[in-house]
Formats: sequence, C-alpha cells, structure tokens
Amino acid sequence: EAAVTQSPRNKVAVTGGKVTLSCNQTNNHNNMYWYRQDTGHGLRLIHYSYGAGSTEKGDIPDGYKASRPSQENFSLILELATPSQTSVYFCASGDAGMGTGQLYFGEGSKLTVL
Amino acid sequence: GDQVEQSPSALSLHEGTGSALRCNFTTTMRAVQWFQQNSRGSLINLFYLASGTKENGRLKSTFNSKESYSTLHIRDAQLEDSGTYFCAAERTGGNNKLTFGQGTVLSVIP
Repeated sequence: EAAVTQSPRNKVAVTGGKVTLSCNQTNNHNNMYWYRQDTGHGLRLIHYSYGAGSTEKGDIPDGYKASRPSQENFSLILELATPSQTSVYFCASGDAGMGTGQLYFGEGSKLTVL
Repeated sequence: GDQVEQSPSALSLHEGTGSALRCNFTTTMRAVQWFQQNSRGSLINLFYLASGTKENGRLKSTFNSKESYSTLHIRDAQLEDSGTYFCAAERTGGNNKLTFGQGTVLSVIP
C-alpha cells in the first residue's frame, strides 16, 4: 500500500505569513502532485514534479511555489499567504510507467489564513 | 481546457441496491481513475483503467476511450459506501496531469 504523509494536518496562518506544507512518500514514485480542494471547484492541480529537482506548474500555480529536494519529499510553499488560499491541500504520488500512473493521496492539510 | 463532466451530482441509494455513476470527457483521454472521498476526507483510489473493465468486490468500472466516457457501477450498496466519488482522467498526449470531475455525493440509506 502506498504511503503518502502530509504535515501539518492543520495550520492557521496570518495574512502575509509564510506557510510550508510538506509531503513525504515512501514508495519511490517519480511523480508527485499538490492539489487544493474547495467546495464548488473539486480538486485543482497547483504544482507537480517528475522527480528530484523537478517542479512544474499546474492549472492554478499563482501564489504558490514548490520544491522537490529528493525523490521522497515534495513541499508546497506560500510565501505570502492570503485568505483566498484557505483550503484543504492534498499531496499525491503516482507510480508512473507512462502517464500519471495510479495516484495515491495523503490525508490532506487544512489551511486557514486569517 | 480539458473537461470531465460527472453525473449525477448527488445520488441516494437504499442499502442493498445499486446504481451507476458516469463521467463524460470532451477530449480523448489516455486513462481514467476513480476515487472515493470518505467521511474523514481521505481520497481512496478505487480503480485505474487505461481501457476495458475492472471489478473489485461490489464495484465495477469501465473506460471507453473511443466514446469518451467511463462508468462506476456500485451493487449491493452498504452504509460505508457513502461519500463523494470522483473520476479523474489524463489526456492522451498530456503531460502527466489529471483533470478531476466535480464529484458525485452518494448517500446510502438504511
């Protein structure tokens, strides 16, 4: 069973503050993804990565940066958090031989920006 | 952009009955995945299909790339099947990105 672990699980931040959401996977998957989930929008892709050192923009990258320092770790960084970034964030990894592969999600990180 | 149209948006089933959820695609998709989001908010991968049909217990999923749709059939529904079901598809020739449908909220009633 794929194991994707996110931290923190809950975070309250102030507007203008820096937030880092971390994701660790233990299955040696090449691809990793960050999504946010909001009522009425489903899941939307923020950034993704093909492997260590790689980051790619997803569909809604503005206001977010990503970092993939190793195969196992993929971080999402909000340099200047805004209330509109209040959401639940999900990390996923994919066992891609071709394409995305089957995706395994972490438990989610609930971020509230005041 | 790529569109994944999921229906119905909500569904109520009595225990022991069954139904089908459907996703239509506006472009040719390489593969589809189905997820269940449970009451704790966890997203569980149910199926990954590049073609054809897969079955797992009371669930069965079909993906028809040529006709641009996928279905998820649930039979003998149980209370623990309640949750939100999402399909997500990857465009042929796309760059390893999934597009999600809006989800179907399933309520299983005793």
